[in-house]
Amino acid sequence: SQKIEQNSEALNIQEGKTATLTCNYTNYSPAYLQWYRQDPGRGPVFLLLIRENEKEKRKERLKVTFDTTLKQSLFHITASQPADSATYLCALDNAGNMLTFGGGTRLMVKP
Amino acid sequence: DGGITQSPKYLFRKEGQNVTLSCEQNLNHDAMYWYRQDPGQGLRLIYYSQIVNDFQKGDIAEGYSVSREKKESFPLTVTSAQKNPTAFYLCASSIAGGRFTGELFFGEGSRLTVL
Repeated sequence: SQKIEQNSEALNIQEGKTATLTCNYTNYSPAYLQWYRQDPGRGPVFLLLIRENEKEKRKERLKVTFDTTLKQSLFHITASQPADSATYLCALDNAGNMLTFGGGTRLMVKP
Repeated sequence: DGGITQSPKYLFRKEGQNVTLSCEQNLNHDAMYWYRQDPGQGLRLIYYSQIVNDFQKGDIAEGYSVSREKKESFPLTVTSAQKNPTAFYLCASSIAGGRFTGELFFGEGSRLTVL
């Protein structure tokens, strides 16, 4: 069956360090993968999109990699700040007309 | 400012009652979506619409109904047939539907609690 897995345990890191979040998937052949940020009680906000033929994408302190052989995407936040604390969701297209989301990983950045 | 507006933000329902959640967008987007989110879980697709007067079932459509009479509006009705309706409901839109949906723009969500 199709599955998208993100670490359900919260990731706790110290301010200034690099946070790395993982998104693994099985039985998908996505053309692209997206990452969203969600704050408590709010709707998700789009961060980055990476296509299957792209290995890496950057936006300011954010970096996303996409390895279609490993079926994995890594999401990095460099020089993390307490304001980066949130839940991060990965989403990928499932050959239909919609996105399927992972369960999200909560990131806590401590000052 | 362009965006998506969901209302109400909080809603309480007695068992056996139907409730309708509103979703309006002024982004001129063709495609609209309804997702459900349960605590600690990802978003699950309920219904989506790629164009006015057309909509498709998502993964968990049972107990829900929608309409798309206007491009700007995509209301969701949670019927009494939905066995476990307490959840956080999110409406989203994208420029177009189809294979490449692009980024989704989300509303602030509606939290439904069944008493």
